[in-house]
Amino acid sequence: QVQLVESGGGVVQPGGSLRLSCAAAGFVFRNYGMHWVRQAPGKGLEWVAVMSYDGTNKYYADSVKGRFTISRDNSRNTLDLQMDSLRVEDTAVYYCAKEITNYGTVNYGMDVWGQGTTVTVSS
Amino acid sequence: EIVMTQSPLYLPVTPGEPASISCRSSQSLLHSNGYNYVDWYLQKAGQSPQLLIYLGSNRASGVPDRYSGSGSGTDFTLHISRVEADDVGVYYCMQTRQTRFTFGPGTKVDI
Repeated sequence: QVQLVESGGGVVQPGGSLRLSCAAAGFVFRNYGMHWVRQAPGKGLEWVAVMSYDGTNKYYADSVKGRFTISRDNSRNTLDLQMDSLRVEDTAVYYCAKEITNYGTVNYGMDVWGQGTTVTVSS
Repeated sequence: EIVMTQSPLYLPVTPGEPASISCRSSQSLLHSNGYNYVDWYLQKAGQSPQLLIYLGSNRASGVPDRYSGSGSGTDFTLHISRVEADDVGVYYCMQTRQTRFTFGPGTKVDI
């Protein structure tokens, strides 16, 4: 079935780096835009980044722009999020999510979500 | 950045009764193509979010038809025609009209 599985979370000190990965299965990964969304403990959802199906377009939230980099490998069906210069406020559960259509869109909606991976930034 | 607001932030509901949540954006979400770029998500306790409505009024696959979305421009509403016990959770609206997508603060719905 359609599935997204995140990995790579952990505890890191402020200023450190971490790389998250999302493994996709059950759909033609190369045809869909992919997102990262996060949720700080006890807080609401915050969109982080999106990459188009072919990797040519990527967009970031202001809070992570210049520190986080989204990438994908369509041959391995994986989506990554490289997180550098981490801050305490980056502590959150990070979800990857699939764009709903294969029309080349990145902004119609996210219809499949992973279970999330937890990132804790603390000294 | 487009700011999304929701009301109420807490909504007590009664099974079998209708319910609605309002979402307002600081800028119009209506594109010249006629689509309103607003989605609705439900996050049940301990679970990942799930898509309910996309592009303002389109129900996602598998979503019960008691859910519907309406509105245009800057004012949107999620309607539940007859609340069921399984509908409890936090509901979020999200704008995708501008590429720095933003969520509303969430509305907690409880029986």
